[in-house]
Amino acid sequence: QKEVEQNSGPLSVPEGAIASLNCTYSDRGSQSFFWYRQYSGKSPELIMSIYSNGDKEDGRFTAQLNKASQYVSLLIRDSQPSDSATYLCAVYNDYKLSFGAGTTVTVRA
Amino acid sequence: DADVTQTPRNRITKTGKRIMLECSQTKGHDRMYWYRQDPGLGLRLIYYSFDVKDINKGEISDGYSVSRQAQAKFSLSLESAIPNQTALYFCATNSGTNTDTQYFGPGTRLTVL
Repeated sequence: QKEVEQNSGPLSVPEGAIASLNCTYSDRGSQSFFWYRQYSGKSPELIMSIYSNGDKEDGRFTAQLNKASQYVSLLIRDSQPSDSATYLCAVYNDYKLSFGAGTTVTVRA
Repeated sequence: DADVTQTPRNRITKTGKRIMLECSQTKGHDRMYWYRQDPGLGLRLIYYSFDVKDINKGEISDGYSVSRQAQAKFSLSLESAIPNQTALYFCATNSGTNTDTQYFGPGTRLTVL
């Protein structure tokens, strides 16, 4: 079992819609969770971090964490063409980050 | 200037050649990492270092070696490159707390023919 798994893509959403991304992790002791956005050929950039159960909102992005279910999600509201990218879920444990394979999102005009 | 730099940005080499990828950071962080990225596989950890005297293998260290020359410099070497090492390589750094952002370099695209 992979440490971090993400829902397979690609995910295509119309402009203005909500994009929903999911991630599960295997280490129940994990404490820190991150979402990175990566444009093709570029380095990942951090868009959200979450450390406690519940929701965390930042602009059009909302991260949700449920440690009992070992589940992290990212919602992108009012999706824009500039949101078209690959989104990587990352979990911090044992002093290092483990990444999921990523979900590619395409926002169509 | 960028906080994390990598050289070269692109490299084409031949099977069996030795190649070194270099990483420098100005964040003053102790922790540095090397990842490789292949399509559909996300980022996989090759090696990481918590300080100059502390080097650790990641999940895919076979065929690679590293050197931490100083707090700010962390190099990745392929002693004898093979085609399946063709990938995008990223260096990263963070301060060492579990809440800290991991800062990535711009990446090196390596092609082994």
